[in-house]
Amino acid sequence: KQEVTQIPAALSVPEGENLVLNCSFTDSAIYNLQWFRQDPGKGLTSLLLIQSSQREQTSGRLNASLDKSSGRSTLYIAASQPGDSATYLCAVRTYSGGYQKVTFGTGTKLQVIP
Amino acid sequence: EPEVTQTPSHQVTQMGQEVILRCVPISNHLYFYWYRQILGQKVEFLVSFYNNEISEKSEIFDDQFSVERPDGSNFTLKIRSTKLEDSAMYFCASSGQGAHYGYTFGSGTRLTVV
Repeated sequence: KQEVTQIPAALSVPEGENLVLNCSFTDSAIYNLQWFRQDPGKGLTSLLLIQSSQREQTSGRLNASLDKSSGRSTLYIAASQPGDSATYLCAVRTYSGGYQKVTFGTGTKLQVIP
Repeated sequence: EPEVTQTPSHQVTQMGQEVILRCVPISNHLYFYWYRQILGQKVEFLVSFYNNEISEKSEIFDDQFSVERPDGSNFTLKIRSTKLEDSAMYFCASSGQGAHYGYTFGSGTRLTVV
């Protein structure tokens, strides 16, 4: 059974800092990994998708890396802004026997202080 | 950009009543999912649906739950007899086939059982 853990659970940083969010998963046979952002009481917004054959993806100030062998992914946020404050979730997708399933991590709640 | 649409955004129902949550997935997607998130907790997988049948379901998805794709565009989640503990945000998602496809989530339906 795939288990996904995110560290830290909460993070508070001053505006302008670079930061790293961590995601670890127990079963390395993944199909892809996706990072989401969730604002309070809202839905899930996709940030980055990394396929199992890729090692990193970049979008603007965001960079996500994937190391399947060690069961880890990181989300790097450069020059953080107050608008980045949200909960960040990683989701690991597995594909087996024609069936797909996504397992979400526990989330990291980020607060960027102006 | 294509969206997954969920209705209603908020539903209040009395315990024991049946509710139907509706979703319109992205039109060329093949896989459909329901997830739920109890307030303050992690996103939990309920069920996945492919080729007009359930491909996987979690232990949460008991006999009180059912899903249907009645007309080729809508994807519904029915809870037959709601309990207080069914109060949560319910998210619908869809995805295409292939590792380059991520999940696209709807904005969710907040279900409150009173």
